[in-house]
Parts: sequence; structure tokens; C-alpha cells
Amino acid sequence: KAGVTQTPRYLIKTRGQQVTLSCSPISGHRSVSWYQQTPGQGLQFLFEYFSETQRNKGNFPGRFSGRQFSNSRSEMNVSTLELGDSALYLCASSKNYEAFFGQGTRLTVV
Amino acid sequence: AQSVTQLGSHVSVSEGALVLLRCNYSSSVPPYLFWYVQYPNQGLQLLLKYTTGATLVKGINGFEAEFKKSETSFHLTKPSAHMSDAAEYFCAVSDGNTGNQFYFGTGTSLTVIP
Repeated sequence: KAGVTQTPRYLIKTRGQQVTLSCSPISGHRSVSWYQQTPGQGLQFLFEYFSETQRNKGNFPGRFSGRQFSNSRSEMNVSTLELGDSALYLCASSKNYEAFFGQGTRLTVV
Repeated sequence: AQSVTQLGSHVSVSEGALVLLRCNYSSSVPPYLFWYVQYPNQGLQLLLKYTTGATLVKGINGFEAEFKKSETSFHLTKPSAHMSDAAEYFCAVSDGNTGNQFYFGTGTSLTVIP
């Protein structure tokens, strides 16, 4: 079966811009989580969506937001980009407490 | 609150030698525990998980881990290292009550020496 698909794989944005990342979960999975991975901070939880509702939220500023659609696909948005937002953003599709990760979107802010 | 500590950010072993990657967790409730592997520029792949039941868990690629509640540990082992095992390994904990929110350790980079 198809895995978790994240698009795009790579992005370069300028400070102050906004960006939208997309995640298509495994068919039948209603939970989608987002993580930020950086060399300094490691893997940090951003938020989780389940059946179009945000169920959990990590400790990130309001510039980071997300949503989930009725087909379980999810998007995350980062507004007013800062240099420190450069990271690998990972999406995880979960069912029965087993999380499957996509390959990530590498965001570079210049 | 949950947290994970991985001892040793870098571990080197010879090909064919035992692999031991250490993970200690902190959890206020019975934890769900996981090991993931990450290859360069890739996402995370689940190696194994412990939720309930048998405390010795076997995973893919010959890896296994043992949940020891008294030691709050979930160390990952493999009897014989292979060159293809070189990667970054992450231990993670979830309490199962807050959805699918995982807390990850800082990772251990495994180098396999031929």
C-alpha cells in the first residue's frame, strides 16, 4: 500500500514569506502529526490532527498552523518565515499507536 | 509528562559485533515505546514498538529491545552489526492517552566499521 507522501520535498523561501506544506497519509489513517527536525533541537512535535480536528499541539508560536481535510490529507502553514524555521518537516500518519513517517520536506529560509 | 534520554550521540561498532543503543524514558503513565531508524535525507522508519504484553520485542532487520520498567529503559540491540545498519536511531515514547504525540530522544548515530 502507498506510504505517506509529503510535497514538496525541497523548498527555498525568503525571510518574511509564508509557506504551505502538504501531507497525504496512508489510506484509512485518520491521524496526521507534524514534526520539525533540526540539528540543534532534534525532533519536536508541532501538532496532531484527527478527523479534521486538532487534537494536540506542541510548543510552537502561532505562526505555525495546520489543518486537515475530510480525506485526511493535511497541510501545515508557516507565516512570516524566520531563518530559524529552516528544518526538515516530517509528517506522520498513525493508526493503532503506530506512526508511519513521510520522507519530509526540507525547508530552507534565506 | 514524557521524555526520552538516549545515552551516547555517537556509537561505533565493528561489522559483526553486538549493537547496543541505550534509551531511558520518563513517563507518568504506562508508556508506549518505539525505536525508529533514519537514513540520510529520509523520514523515520519504525524498527519496533512496545505497547503491552511481552517485554522483549523483536523488530525488523534483526533488532530487538527489552522493556524494563524497574530501570525505565528500552535499549535496542542487534547481535551482529551489518554495514547497512549505519544510520541515525531514535527512541520515542508516547503515553497512548494524548493521541499520537511522540516524544523523541536526541538520536544516536551508529557507525559500522568494516
